[in-house]
Amino acid sequence: DQQVKQNSPSLSVQEGRISILNCDYTNSMFDYFLWYKKYPAEGPTFLISISSIKDKNEDGRFTVFLNKSAKHLSLHIVPSQPGDSAVYFCAASALRDQLTFGKGTKLSVIP
Amino acid sequence: SQTIHQWPATLVQPVGSPLSLECTVEGTSNPNLYWYRQAAGRGLQLLFYSVGIGQISSEVPQNLSASRPQDRQFILSSKKLLLSDSGFYLCAWSVVEETQYFGPGTRLLVL
Repeated sequence: DQQVKQNSPSLSVQEGRISILNCDYTNSMFDYFLWYKKYPAEGPTFLISISSIKDKNEDGRFTVFLNKSAKHLSLHIVPSQPGDSAVYFCAASALRDQLTFGKGTKLSVIP
Repeated sequence: SQTIHQWPATLVQPVGSPLSLECTVEGTSNPNLYWYRQAAGRGLQLLFYSVGIGQISSEVPQNLSASRPQDRQFILSSKKLLLSDSGFYLCAWSVVEETQYFGPGTRLLVL
């Protein structure tokens, strides 16, 4: 039973356009959400997080939106750059330090 | 600043052989430590986590085990590897907040 779902295994976006990565969750106890970026053969790198008391968090080109009623969050990257090409993992936490990850979405930014 | 090390970076082992992967963290005290596995198409799967020396929680029953002999050292072991143990193993650390920071990973191929 997958509690965090990233239904799009891959996404292609033109350089300069917006990339939107989506994530759905089923556990209503999740109260903290994170996005990680991962290059091949490297560990994931923390990108941005959001607490359930907020519906938006912004950090430079990255914005995370949380819709609690829909149990949905999304990561927006604008403008997209070729260096953004990576696998993006959505993660959620219901306890202070355990994360449940989605399967990831591979983003390809085309120059 | 904190850094996390994993070794070896790559490992090829025959079925039935033992395994020992090591993870160390620098620049922090009493971190929470985690072992994850990334298998093809399955995202990041939490294997073990530890909140202190000698304290190990297992998330997935399998032929792997973990130990934490020192505050900033986390070891993943197996007495007899299976083909299904192949994957990319990631160590991560966190303090009281939910964000986890990952090491560079170890790619294990069991033949």
